[in-house]
Amino acid sequence: DAGVIQSPRHEVTEMGQEVTLRCKPISGHNSLFWYRQTMMRGLELLIYFNNNVPIDDSGMPEDRFSAKMPNASFSTLKIQPSEPRDSAVYFCASSHRDRGYTDTQYFGPGTRLTVL
Amino acid sequence: RKEVEQDPGPFNVPEGATVAFNCTYSNSASQSFFWYRQDCRKEPKLLMSVYSSGNEDGRFTAQLNRASQYISLLIRDSKLSDSATYLCVLTGRRALTFGSGTRLQVQP
Repeated sequence: DAGVIQSPRHEVTEMGQEVTLRCKPISGHNSLFWYRQTMMRGLELLIYFNNNVPIDDSGMPEDRFSAKMPNASFSTLKIQPSEPRDSAVYFCASSHRDRGYTDTQYFGPGTRLTVL
Repeated sequence: RKEVEQDPGPFNVPEGATVAFNCTYSNSASQSFFWYRQDCRKEPKLLMSVYSSGNEDGRFTAQLNRASQYISLLIRDSKLSDSATYLCVLTGRRALTFGSGTRLQVQP
């Protein structure tokens, strides 16, 4: 079975450019999570969706970050304009939520973003 | 105070050793607890859930102490392949909250 798919796996861009990260959750999962991981701050939850609806976006750093989930099989995280401090590994995870967020989350391989 | 606190390590142990990690949490309302494992430059993966009565999965034993608000992970007979970062995870104020992890290095 295919796991969570993320693209691109690596992204190097220059400050000020727009960056779009993509995620395809595991088929049948109805919750999707975007995380950011850095050495300094560890793994931080940015936003999560349930049934394609954003439930909690309080972790989104600022207005430069936006996330969408137009359907059950696709989500994007966009940074515009990007800054060097956005450099991190961005993970997407999905789970099946019939008992709330206690269900196991399956992570994608991550996108390693470097903003120069 | 951080919602989840872990000793970052590293814990350097020889093969065959027994090693234990603790994790403390501040939100007494947390209901579910987990240990995730993350290999270098890889994604986190669920190692095991932690139940109130304690639970075991092969060489791994997890315990929960609600009164003192900590969970623990015990690894017996350490293998080289156990080298990884172990993340303490719990339901917090926002979905799942991850600790920063404890790094384990098992040496031959």
